[in-house]
Amino acid sequence: GQNIDQPTEMTATEGAIVQINCTYQTSGFNGLFWYQQHAGEAPTFLSYNVLDGLEEKGRFSSFLSRSKGYSYLLLKELQMKDSASYLCAVKDSNYQLIWGAGTKLIIKP
Amino acid sequence: GAVVSQHPSRVICKSGTSVKIECRSLDFQATTMFWYRQFPKKSLMLMATSNEGSKATYEQGVEKDKFLINHASLTLSTLTVTSAHPEDSSFYICSASPGEWEKLFFGSGTQLSVL
Repeated sequence: GQNIDQPTEMTATEGAIVQINCTYQTSGFNGLFWYQQHAGEAPTFLSYNVLDGLEEKGRFSSFLSRSKGYSYLLLKELQMKDSASYLCAVKDSNYQLIWGAGTKLIIKP
Repeated sequence: GAVVSQHPSRVICKSGTSVKIECRSLDFQATTMFWYRQFPKKSLMLMATSNEGSKATYEQGVEKDKFLINHASLTLSTLTVTSAHPEDSSFYICSASPGEWEKLFFGSGTQLSVL
């Protein structure tokens, strides 16, 4: 079967750095996405990786290793507004998006 | 950037009534739109894939007669929850993508509460 694993919950301190990991086993691979979702709102796009390596976008970076079936989302200079759920999703060989259960990130002052 | 509009954002209805949710892609054409359901503190659950001009593809366990999907044009898909019951109360989100290699854009979601 297809599976996406990410931690259920993480806690970090304002101003610090946090890394959210995602591992996947899917039938084929056509890209990996990270989305941010605040409570009661729809997800918003953060990043997209289709080749190995690091993609940096401001305070957020995302890394992909296709051979290891592994990605992480790195958040720097954490702000209170970064408290949200972070969803990892992979497009399989049929271009279907397979979603992880999400990681709830709690930021403490 | 691409925008997906979803309406209404919140619905409260009585048990047994039907509720229609609209999803529009505002600045791109979407031959395919997706309908998700999300329970509190849970991840997105794909309900169905809406295909313009043809029948929707439903995920296993989703009742097609309960959740009617119509994709009448390249910019509009509707989800109708028929004869709603309290267990249908949930957050419903639509999404669309300009192409297979593109990211998904999400509507703002509809919180349905069935009394």
